Amino acid sequence: DQQVKQNSPSLSVQEGRISILNCDYTNSMFDYFLWYKKYPAEGPTFLISISSIKDKNEDGRFTVFLNKSAKHLSLHIVPSQPGDSAVYFCAAKIGGSQGNLIFGKGTKLSVKP
Amino acid sequence: DSGVTQTPKHLITATGQRVTLRCSPRSGDLSVYWYQQSLDQGLQFLIQYYNGEERAKGNILERFSAQQFPDLHSELNLSSLELGDSALYFCASSVDGFSYEQYFGPGTRLTVT
Repeated sequence: DQQVKQNSPSLSVQEGRISILNCDYTNSMFDYFLWYKKYPAEGPTFLISISSIKDKNEDGRFTVFLNKSAKHLSLHIVPSQPGDSAVYFCAAKIGGSQGNLIFGKGTKLSVKP
Repeated sequence: DSGVTQTPKHLITATGQRVTLRCSPRSGDLSVYWYQQSLDQGLQFLIQYYNGEERAKGNILERFSAQQFPDLHSELNLSSLELGDSALYFCASSVDGFSYEQYFGPGTRLTVT
Protein backbone atom coordinates (compact mmCIF):
# COMPACT_ATOMS: atom_id res chain seq x y z
CA ASP A 1 0.00 0.00 0.00
CA GLN A 2 1.75 3.12 -1.24
CA GLN A 3 1.29 6.06 1.08
CA VAL A 4 3.19 8.47 -1.14
CA LYS A 5 2.47 8.36 -4.84
CA GLN A 6 4.17 10.01 -7.76
CA ASN A 7 1.99 9.01 -10.67
CA SER A 8 4.16 10.44 -13.44
CA PRO A 9 7.29 8.33 -13.96
CA SER A 10 8.75 10.93 -16.29
CA LEU A 11 8.39 14.54 -17.39
CA SER A 12 10.04 16.40 -20.25
CA VAL A 13 10.25 20.20 -20.26
CA GLN A 14 11.93 22.82 -22.42
CA GLU A 15 14.70 24.89 -20.87
CA GLY A 16 13.37 28.15 -19.43
CA ARG A 17 9.84 26.82 -18.94
CA ILE A 18 8.19 25.72 -15.73
CA SER A 19 8.48 22.14 -14.45
CA ILE A 20 5.69 20.89 -12.22
CA LEU A 21 6.16 17.63 -10.38
CA ASN A 22 3.23 16.19 -8.48
CA CYS A 23 2.86 14.00 -5.44
CA ASP A 24 -0.20 12.57 -3.69
CA TYR A 25 -0.37 11.02 -0.25
CA THR A 26 -2.90 9.00 1.66
CA ASN A 27 -1.85 9.25 5.30
CA SER A 28 -3.31 12.26 7.08
CA MET A 29 -0.76 11.78 9.88
CA PHE A 30 2.04 13.11 7.69
CA ASP A 31 3.21 16.44 9.06
CA TYR A 32 6.28 17.17 6.96
CA PHE A 33 7.02 16.76 3.30
CA LEU A 34 10.31 16.86 1.46
CA TRP A 35 11.61 16.76 -2.08
CA TYR A 36 14.87 15.05 -2.90
CA LYS A 37 16.76 15.18 -6.18
CA LYS A 38 18.85 12.27 -7.39
CA TYR A 39 21.46 12.17 -10.14
CA PRO A 40 22.64 8.82 -11.53
CA ALA A 41 25.25 7.05 -9.39
CA GLU A 42 24.66 9.47 -6.51
CA GLY A 43 22.53 9.41 -3.42
CA PRO A 44 19.41 11.57 -3.09
CA THR A 45 20.05 15.20 -2.19
CA PHE A 46 17.65 17.24 -0.09
CA LEU A 47 16.04 20.00 -2.15
CA ILE A 48 13.19 21.67 -0.30
CA SER A 49 10.64 20.88 2.40
CA ILE A 50 7.32 22.07 3.76
CA SER A 51 5.56 21.69 7.06
CA SER A 52 1.92 20.69 7.07
CA ILE A 53 1.01 23.98 8.74
CA LYS A 54 2.08 25.87 5.61
CA ASP A 55 0.77 25.81 2.09
CA LYS A 56 3.80 27.18 0.27
CA ASN A 57 7.55 27.27 0.66
CA GLU A 58 9.95 28.95 -1.73
CA ASP A 59 13.69 28.63 -2.21
CA GLY A 60 15.09 30.36 -5.24
CA ARG A 61 13.78 28.67 -8.38
CA PHE A 62 12.04 25.96 -6.36
CA THR A 63 8.60 26.29 -4.78
CA VAL A 64 6.62 23.58 -3.07
CA PHE A 65 2.85 23.87 -2.70
CA LEU A 66 0.81 21.81 -0.27
CA ASN A 67 -2.94 21.23 -0.52
CA LYS A 68 -3.88 19.33 2.62
CA SER A 69 -7.54 18.91 1.76
CA ALA A 70 -6.58 17.21 -1.50
CA LYS A 71 -3.58 15.43 0.08
CA HIS A 72 -1.50 16.75 -2.77
CA LEU A 73 1.78 18.57 -3.09
CA SER A 74 3.68 19.85 -6.06
CA LEU A 75 7.16 21.09 -6.80
CA HIS A 76 7.53 23.97 -9.23
CA ILE A 77 10.87 24.73 -10.86
CA VAL A 78 11.04 28.09 -12.63
CA PRO A 79 12.87 28.55 -14.91
CA SER A 80 13.93 24.98 -15.62
CA GLN A 81 17.57 24.39 -16.51
CA PRO A 82 19.28 21.39 -18.13
CA GLY A 83 21.13 20.79 -14.84
CA ASP A 84 17.77 20.14 -13.20
CA SER A 85 17.48 16.89 -15.16
CA ALA A 86 17.34 14.23 -12.47
CA VAL A 87 14.94 11.95 -10.63
CA TYR A 88 12.84 13.79 -8.06
CA PHE A 89 11.50 11.96 -5.03
CA CYS A 90 8.68 13.16 -2.86
CA ALA A 91 8.95 12.03 0.78
CA ALA A 92 6.84 12.39 3.90
CA LYS A 93 7.18 11.93 7.62
CA ILE A 94 4.62 11.05 10.25
CA GLY A 95 4.35 13.58 13.03
CA GLY A 96 5.91 12.58 16.31
CA SER A 97 7.63 9.56 14.85
CA GLN A 98 11.29 8.84 14.42
CA GLY A 99 13.03 10.31 11.43
CA ASN A 100 12.45 7.66 8.81
CA LEU A 101 10.94 8.98 5.61
CA ILE A 102 8.35 7.43 3.31
CA PHE A 103 9.26 7.95 -0.32
CA GLY A 104 7.38 7.95 -3.59
CA LYS A 105 8.77 6.09 -6.60
CA GLY A 106 10.17 9.22 -8.19
CA THR A 107 9.66 11.26 -11.35
CA LYS A 108 12.42 11.53 -13.91
CA LEU A 109 12.67 15.10 -15.16
CA SER A 110 14.37 15.84 -18.44
CA VAL A 111 15.01 19.49 -19.29
CA LYS A 112 15.85 19.94 -22.95
CA PRO A 113 18.06 22.82 -24.13
CA ASP B 1 29.43 15.43 -1.51
CA SER B 2 27.03 14.78 1.39
CA GLY B 3 29.76 13.69 3.78
CA VAL B 4 28.21 10.23 4.13
CA THR B 5 30.39 7.43 2.84
CA GLN B 6 29.36 3.93 1.88
CA THR B 7 31.46 0.93 0.98
CA PRO B 8 31.63 -0.96 -1.23
CA LYS B 9 30.11 0.84 -4.23
CA HIS B 10 29.30 -2.39 -6.01
CA LEU B 11 28.90 -5.93 -4.77
CA ILE B 12 28.20 -9.04 -6.79
CA THR B 13 27.51 -12.25 -4.95
CA ALA B 14 25.65 -15.52 -5.27
CA THR B 15 22.36 -16.64 -3.79
CA GLY B 16 22.66 -17.99 -0.27
CA GLN B 17 25.67 -15.87 0.56
CA ARG B 18 26.08 -13.21 3.25
CA VAL B 19 27.38 -9.66 2.74
CA THR B 20 28.08 -6.63 4.91
CA LEU B 21 27.51 -3.06 3.77
CA ARG B 22 29.25 -0.27 5.62
CA CYS B 23 28.27 3.34 6.23
CA SER B 24 30.04 6.26 7.88
CA PRO B 25 27.74 9.17 8.73
CA ARG B 26 28.53 12.85 8.40
CA SER B 27 30.75 14.20 11.13
CA GLY B 28 28.57 15.08 14.12
CA ASP B 29 25.51 13.13 12.98
CA LEU B 30 24.25 10.64 15.54
CA SER B 31 21.50 8.93 13.58
CA VAL B 32 21.89 6.49 10.70
CA TYR B 33 19.14 5.20 8.43
CA TRP B 34 19.22 2.38 5.90
CA TYR B 35 17.01 2.38 2.80
CA GLN B 36 16.57 -0.10 -0.02
CA GLN B 37 15.74 0.91 -3.57
CA SER B 38 14.71 -1.95 -5.84
CA LEU B 39 14.20 -1.53 -9.57
CA ASP B 40 11.55 1.10 -10.37
CA GLN B 41 10.72 1.48 -6.70
CA GLY B 42 11.03 4.33 -4.29
CA LEU B 43 13.34 4.14 -1.34
CA GLN B 44 12.02 1.74 1.29
CA PHE B 45 13.02 2.43 4.87
CA LEU B 46 14.71 -0.53 6.54
CA ILE B 47 16.04 0.50 9.92
CA GLN B 48 17.27 3.48 11.98
CA TYR B 49 19.93 3.73 14.66
CA TYR B 50 20.61 6.60 17.00
CA ASN B 51 23.83 6.79 18.96
CA GLY B 52 24.26 3.04 18.89
CA GLU B 53 20.68 2.06 19.65
CA GLU B 54 17.99 0.84 17.30
CA ARG B 55 15.25 3.49 17.06
CA ALA B 56 12.87 2.41 14.33
CA LYS B 57 12.29 -0.54 12.08
CA GLY B 58 10.66 -0.56 8.70
CA ASN B 59 10.13 -3.38 6.24
CA ILE B 60 13.37 -5.14 7.09
CA LEU B 61 13.52 -8.86 6.49
CA GLU B 62 14.58 -11.19 9.30
CA ARG B 63 17.56 -12.22 7.14
CA PHE B 64 18.80 -8.63 7.40
CA SER B 65 20.32 -7.05 10.47
CA ALA B 66 22.20 -3.89 11.29
CA GLN B 67 24.18 -2.27 14.04
CA GLN B 68 25.77 1.05 14.85
CA PHE B 69 29.16 1.03 16.50
CA PRO B 70 30.61 3.37 19.17
CA ASP B 71 32.38 5.40 16.46
CA LEU B 72 28.89 5.81 14.92
CA HIS B 73 29.57 3.96 11.71
CA SER B 74 26.95 1.41 10.81
CA GLU B 75 26.86 -1.94 9.08
CA LEU B 76 23.97 -3.65 7.33
CA ASN B 77 24.26 -7.42 7.19
CA LEU B 78 22.33 -9.32 4.56
CA SER B 79 22.30 -13.11 4.77
CA SER B 80 20.86 -16.06 2.84
CA LEU B 81 20.72 -13.75 -0.13
CA GLU B 82 18.03 -14.18 -2.76
CA LEU B 83 17.78 -12.81 -6.30
CA GLY B 84 15.14 -10.36 -5.10
CA ASP B 85 17.61 -8.75 -2.72
CA SER B 86 19.38 -7.18 -5.67
CA ALA B 87 18.96 -3.46 -5.15
CA LEU B 88 20.60 -0.18 -4.27
CA TYR B 89 21.14 0.19 -0.55
CA PHE B 90 21.42 3.74 0.75
CA CYS B 91 22.59 4.94 4.07
CA ALA B 92 21.55 8.36 5.36
CA SER B 93 22.46 10.31 8.45
CA SER B 94 21.01 13.16 10.43
CA VAL B 95 22.00 15.20 13.43
CA ASP B 96 19.44 13.61 15.71
CA GLY B 97 16.80 10.91 15.59
CA PHE B 98 13.98 13.19 14.55
CA SER B 99 15.55 15.38 11.92
CA TYR B 100 13.57 15.79 8.75
CA GLU B 101 16.61 16.51 6.65
CA GLN B 102 18.71 13.48 6.00
CA TYR B 103 21.97 13.31 4.09
CA PHE B 104 22.39 10.32 1.84
CA GLY B 105 25.47 8.41 0.84
CA PRO B 106 26.09 7.35 -2.78
CA GLY B 107 24.69 3.88 -2.17
CA THR B 108 25.90 0.31 -2.56
CA ARG B 109 24.62 -1.58 -5.59
CA LEU B 110 24.11 -5.23 -4.67
CA THR B 111 23.68 -7.79 -7.40
CA VAL B 112 22.74 -11.33 -6.41
CA THR B 113 23.28 -13.91 -9.14
